[in-house]
Amino acid sequence: DSGVTQTPKHLITATGQRVTLRCSPRSGDLSVYWYQQSLDQGLQFLIQYYNGEERAKGNILERFSAQQFPDLHSELNLSSLELGDSALYFCASSDPLNPANYGYTFGSGTRLTVV
Amino acid sequence: AQTVTQSQPEMSVQEAETVTLSCTYDTSESDYYLFWYKQPPSRQMILVIRQEAYKQQNATENRFSVNFQKAAKSFSLKISDSQLGDAAMYFCAYRSARNFVFGPGTRLSVLP
Repeated sequence: DSGVTQTPKHLITATGQRVTLRCSPRSGDLSVYWYQQSLDQGLQFLIQYYNGEERAKGNILERFSAQQFPDLHSELNLSSLELGDSALYFCASSDPLNPANYGYTFGSGTRLTVV
Repeated sequence: AQTVTQSQPEMSVQEAETVTLSCTYDTSESDYYLFWYKQPPSRQMILVIRQEAYKQQNATENRFSVNFQKAAKSFSLKISDSQLGDAAMYFCAYRSARNFVFGPGTRLSVLP
């Protein structure tokens, strides 16, 4: 157990629908990052939050949004889903005292399948 | 912008042998960190090893070691005494205060 919890582990939904993915960071980590990994692809950075505020944005579609709550958990909202959104969505967190030292701690991911 | 390149999409190694995975990066920053992550079939992302750019000594973690050539912006991963459980995708990653960039990955197969 990495300490980063993602739910649900698997999600199957239809095109046009909206889903919410949840992430609880490792205890003490203030930063949360969201990544998308399509089949046999690398990691695509979506967005970063630090202590409730958006810190950096990657190639995140306008149909996607995220937020980080006061208890530091984060949610990634995906709407108007398309078949191409099927992917593994990772959440990662990092240590605010040593943000660059130890890389990320990744959750186990949410596998989203859009049918 | 920082980029990370892994020129070997796939590699294979015989069990108990040694294999080296290549990684190069491009940056104008002076303070950064480099990582290798492993993603086995379970898809979990696992940190294998890290290297601080300001350290000249190459990092080592058991059977895993790196060859860090800062001037050449090269950061290769050597796996010694390869085991079947080493079969995975390996991602090289660059981290600075502003960026965290992953390479495209190298798929490593371990042959019994």
